[in-house]
Amino acid sequence: NAGVTQTPKFQVLKTGQSMTLQCAQDMNHNSMYWYRQDPGMGLRLIYYSASEGTTDKGEVPNGYNVSRLNKREFSLRLESAAPSQTSVYFCASSEGGTRYEQYFGPGTRLTVT
Amino acid sequence: AQKITQTQPGMFVQEKEAVTLDCTYDTSDPSYGLFWYKQPSSGEMIFLIYQGSYDQQNATEGRYSLNFQKARKSANLVISASQLGDSAMYFCAMRDFGTSYGKLTFGQGTILTVHP
Repeated sequence: NAGVTQTPKFQVLKTGQSMTLQCAQDMNHNSMYWYRQDPGMGLRLIYYSASEGTTDKGEVPNGYNVSRLNKREFSLRLESAAPSQTSVYFCASSEGGTRYEQYFGPGTRLTVT
Repeated sequence: AQKITQTQPGMFVQEKEAVTLDCTYDTSDPSYGLFWYKQPSSGEMIFLIYQGSYDQQNATEGRYSLNFQKARKSANLVISASQLGDSAMYFCAMRDFGTSYGKLTFGQGTILTVHP
């Protein structure tokens, strides 16, 4: 049981380059999330998808786009990377009910130079 | 707006002793959930324990317990009989049911170091 998987694990980009972070879950969860984690700060929500076919902005959506490709997959795209987007990115999923905890992927460490 | 505050940037504890990690929260919604996650140096986020705002008893999961004081808006994590493997960053998070979709608001985290 893989849970939540993310690719790639590490990535270095130059300012202005684009890339897509991939996320997939095999737990049949309805809701999926993208967070970023910066030093000295907790995780901050970038975008989320309550269910297949819907996406909404979180706390820090500027500079990002997302696609809920199907129930399993939720991708995060940086169209024109900036140094301020250097961070560790986590994908998570949950049942989407009330108490259900979120299950996190291993993270992607992104550096933008 | 929701807010989670963890006032202890770092904590130290001796192996086999108990330790309490503080968490206070702020929300105007009467229905909410509180979570604790562990992040070891390897980086993954591991769910530890959950407390619902209407739960009558404090949550417990093995060596983890949550000291929930609703009137004080605090949800402290208690780790009993600390082990070296408990050394990690610990995050408190809140889910406001009024906003739905399970969005979590995280605190800044507390680094716990367990000494042998």
